[in-house]
Amino acid sequence: AQSVTQPDIHITVSEGASLELRCNYSYGATPYLFWYVQSPGQGLQLLLKYFSGDTLVQGIKGFEAEFKRSQSSFNLRKPSVHWSDAAEYFCAVNNNAGNMLTFGGGTRLMVKP
Amino acid sequence: NAGVTQTPKFQVLKTGQSMTLQCAQDMNHEYMSWYRQDPGMGLRLIHYSVGAGITDQGEVPNGYNVSRSTTEDFPLRLLSAAPSQTSVYFCASRLEANYGYTFGSGTRLTVV
Repeated sequence: AQSVTQPDIHITVSEGASLELRCNYSYGATPYLFWYVQSPGQGLQLLLKYFSGDTLVQGIKGFEAEFKRSQSSFNLRKPSVHWSDAAEYFCAVNNNAGNMLTFGGGTRLMVKP
Repeated sequence: NAGVTQTPKFQVLKTGQSMTLQCAQDMNHEYMSWYRQDPGMGLRLIHYSVGAGITDQGEVPNGYNVSRSTTEDFPLRLLSAAPSQTSVYFCASRLEANYGYTFGSGTRLTVV
């Protein structure tokens, strides 16, 4: 069965600082990977996705993520964080049939002024 | 384009009551899913559907039923509510297997 681990439950960064959120997955075949963001009281919004090809993928809001097969990781990065980036971030992995998307436990990002 | 619409937004039930959470999408998406979100546990899949007339169980299906009579609608039924079902429920849909999901805004359910 597939699984996703987000080791950091909470992260606090200063506005303007760089950000990296960690995601490790477990899946037997080539994974389909996603990052979502959830603002308080809202649903989830897709930031970016990886299916194949270039291991560095660009998303919305200036985010990017790098797929590293050797480390089973798909870390999310942003070079300069804005106060509006404060939210909860979820990494997810899809099975190859595409019918089961499994989420990690989430990382809550706080941004200091 | 309304996207994914969930109703109600909030609901309080007494233990043992039944109810249906509604989910509708207007994007002609084949894939629809129900998730529950609990603090520290991310989102867990309850049931999913890959098209009208086809449903299957996810990770935590017990106590819930679904049906998919049309492409647009995917209601979630709580048969006999229990306090352990207190959660935020999200419906999501996507066009094909490996597209990103579009999520509804959620239903916050409290069972007392």
